[in-house]
Amino acid sequence: GAGVSQSPRYKVAKRGQDVALRCDPISGHVSLFWYQQALGQGPEFLTYFQNEAQLDKSGLPSDRFFAERPEGSVSTLKIQRTQQEDSAVYLCASSQGQPNTEAFFGQGTRLTVV
Amino acid sequence: DQQVKQNSPSLSVQEGRISILNCDYTNSMFDYFLWYKKYPAEGPTFLISISSIKDKNEDGRFTVFLNKSAKHLSLHIVPSQPGDSAVYFCAASDQGGGADGLTFGKGTHLIIQP
Repeated sequence: GAGVSQSPRYKVAKRGQDVALRCDPISGHVSLFWYQQALGQGPEFLTYFQNEAQLDKSGLPSDRFFAERPEGSVSTLKIQRTQQEDSAVYLCASSQGQPNTEAFFGQGTRLTVV
Repeated sequence: DQQVKQNSPSLSVQEGRISILNCDYTNSMFDYFLWYKKYPAEGPTFLISISSIKDKNEDGRFTVFLNKSAKHLSLHIVPSQPGDSAVYFCAASDQGGGADGLTFGKGTHLIIQP
């Protein structure tokens, strides 16, 4: 596709349930990022991949959060045993990986934990 | 501790006038700055960027100014149009915009009044 695609757009999970959020980056983009945006806040960095390698996961809030990009293209963000504080919009972005180039964002997945 | 600050949660400007959105940062290692625009239920869309080696970048109606000594940047939109109504996020990176994660401000909601 022409842009970054995320699915599902909306997800309602019961507390304690595991969820998996998918990101299809722009074809050929080396870098992939996950961000979490809480209501009224700016996006906050979660993790970063260069191809299949997860180079930075310093933003993941707990060990319940796990991200993978096994073939260097599609990425999945998994949240285990969801809690109410996990409710947020999860944004995926990709870029060419060159310095001083912008990242392109998907529409996000809105996760609501009830 | 917020490294990128947008101190105005909202700004109202009359159509045709200039909109000025401000952003301050604390991390002197930031060397690439971006502005993103976000409509409701959509992901952020890249608007304009500036490298720390410059103090001004212009693209059509949009100009970004960078004052490194003050650790301050601003986005000027002139003339403002109704379609400019959106939330604007300032973002910064210390390894180029696409090569590593961005640090975002909380955003400024710009409202263009007819």
